[in-house]
Amino acid sequence: DAKTTQPTSMDCAEGRAANLPCNHSTISGNEYVYWYRQIHSQGPQYIIHGLKNNETNEMASLIITEDRKSSTLILPHATLRDTAVYYCISSYRGSTLGRLYFGRGTQLTVWP
Amino acid sequence: EAGVTQSPTHLIKTRGQQATLRCSPISGHTSVYWYQQALGLGLQFLLWYDEGEERNRGNFPPRFSGRQFPNYSSELNVNALELEDSALYLCASRKVDTDTQYFGPGTRLTVL
Repeated sequence: DAKTTQPTSMDCAEGRAANLPCNHSTISGNEYVYWYRQIHSQGPQYIIHGLKNNETNEMASLIITEDRKSSTLILPHATLRDTAVYYCISSYRGSTLGRLYFGRGTQLTVWP
Repeated sequence: EAGVTQSPTHLIKTRGQQATLRCSPISGHTSVYWYQQALGLGLQFLLWYDEGEERNRGNFPPRFSGRQFPNYSSELNVNALELEDSALYLCASRKVDTDTQYFGPGTRLTVL
């Protein structure tokens, strides 16, 4: 699986959009980008994933650059409950390894 | 749809004892994954079970073992507990069509 790089921490004002970047410059053509978040001491929560095209669901939007070397997770209207560690993970679908590699992630703090 | 469930929520053991942690996947999910998250550290992959078979294991000693039952629930056993085994143990199950892992709330194991 390709290594991903994320900023250690970010801040965002409540009600504003939170844009979390992720670099995955060595990603291969059939690796997906997954985003999870983990609120303190809870299990990670799946947010969204994508391969090439931009994706949107009820939680967030995922923008993947055309060369697929980076992506941005967008929380359109951040709330205090969005304060969490956000993980960007690259993984092959149907990987025989099975496991997801969680790096250090980005600590997002949403302030009032 | 009910999520992944884990029991117990908290478990306190003394050094040298054995711990058994349980996980029930989301209905219809056949793969179960176990991860360890020690305090202040990232998630470390432990084990992957699919269709009752162990498919992959992480870099953990043999005293970490488990099994998957015919109903796809799983058990993680940790023998000869050591102080450094104190951690949050997370279980995830996989949705096959999107290859997405969904996590349970975790079991907090404390070894005294």
